[in-house]
Amino acid sequence: AQSVTQLGSHVSVSEGALVLLRCNYSSSVPPYLFWYVQYPNQGLQLLLKYTTGATLVKGINGFEAEFKKSETSFHLTKPSAHMSDAAEYFCAVSEGYGGSQGNLIFGKGTKLSVKP
Amino acid sequence: DSGVTQTPKHLITATGQRVTLRCSPRSGDLSVYWYQQSLDQGLQFLIHYYNGEERAKGNILERFSAQQFPDLHSELNLSSLELGDSALYFCASSALESGNTIYFGEGSWLTVV
Repeated sequence: AQSVTQLGSHVSVSEGALVLLRCNYSSSVPPYLFWYVQYPNQGLQLLLKYTTGATLVKGINGFEAEFKKSETSFHLTKPSAHMSDAAEYFCAVSEGYGGSQGNLIFGKGTKLSVKP
Repeated sequence: DSGVTQTPKHLITATGQRVTLRCSPRSGDLSVYWYQQSLDQGLQFLIHYYNGEERAKGNILERFSAQQFPDLHSELNLSSLELGDSALYFCASSALESGNTIYFGEGSWLTVV
């Protein structure tokens, strides 16, 4: 069975500092991996996804993530935090290779706070 | 704006009642997914429809059911409601059965009192 673990339910950084949100997954098949962001009272917005190919994936708003199969990780990073990055971030996994990409298994989420 | 429309945005109802949540997917999207977000369970996949047919079930209770109509809109029916059913219910859509980006609506807040 697939699962996702997000380390740290709450991360706080200063504006301009590096953002690092950790995600580890478990999957018996090659996974598709996703990061979504949820702003207060809004739906989920896709930041980036990994399906196949290049393991370093660039997304919107300056975020990127690297798929490391040996570490079963897909950590999200951003070099310099902005106040507008404050939100909740969800890592998700789904079955690749013919499995429905939309049957996502989500982590518990990490709330990112950005201090001025 | 993702293009996925959900109604109602907020709903308060009593235990034992039945409600219907509606979702209009993005224009042309054939796949519709339903998710539940609650404080204790987090985000959980409920069910997936593709072009009117059920494709996959997740952690969906027997008291819950869904369907996708010929015009591709979908409804999630929740019956015999319990306090624990209070949650944010998301609909999402994608163009194909797999391999395409999934777009989420803003959700329907259900409060059971």
